[in-house]
Amino acid sequence: QVRLQESGPGLVKPSQTLSLTCTVSGASINSENTYWSWIRQYPGKDLEWIGYIHYSGHTYYIPSLQGRLTISLDTSKNQFSLNLSFVTAADTAIYYCVREDGNSSGGDYWGQGIRVTVSS
Amino acid sequence: EIVLTQSPATLSVSPGESATLSCRASQSVGTHLAWYQQKPGQAPRLLISDASNRATDIPARFSGIGSGTDFNLTINTLEPEDFVFYFCQQRRNWPPTFGGGTMVETK
Repeated sequence: QVRLQESGPGLVKPSQTLSLTCTVSGASINSENTYWSWIRQYPGKDLEWIGYIHYSGHTYYIPSLQGRLTISLDTSKNQFSLNLSFVTAADTAIYYCVREDGNSSGGDYWGQGIRVTVSS
Repeated sequence: EIVLTQSPATLSVSPGESATLSCRASQSVGTHLAWYQQKPGQAPRLLISDASNRATDIPARFSGIGSGTDFNLTINTLEPEDFVFYFCQQRRNWPPTFGGGTMVETK
């Protein structure tokens, strides 16, 4: 049974860095042709895919977050992480970590999500 | 960036009836389209990948069809737990994008 679990702070101050970790169980983060993604959902329900990392270390970030977003892997702990710097209220959302199979469209396993509020 | 437009925003259906949800892409996505269901307080759950392939453990009453720019999700014989939110997502072009969603409510 594949499981993903997000962890991190629920409240971050403006201009600080948001750091979240996704712990994966039941699957190896070193799986070929698997992408480990972060997706966020705004209070109005809109979903935004923000970036991924492949086991090779290759990453892709959405253009609007280039320069602020870093996604990294820790293969020894079977985890991947998100760091988003200089956060503002616009980054307030539920953040999900997601596994995507490179052979098909769609994220087949999602974490339960972590609600992050940016506020002073 | 590919824009996905879902219609209707809200669909009112009686239990036991069928529902058809639409997702239209601003340009062709081939069959690189997925459908998700989201219940209150939960993460989205993959229903359909590659436009028409049911994901693991998804009941046969859920079916997807389409290619290019026009896609439908049909739910046959609606069960009480089906009256929730549904999203489509394309993965043809980067970045992947989502539709605005359709809420299926009880008539």
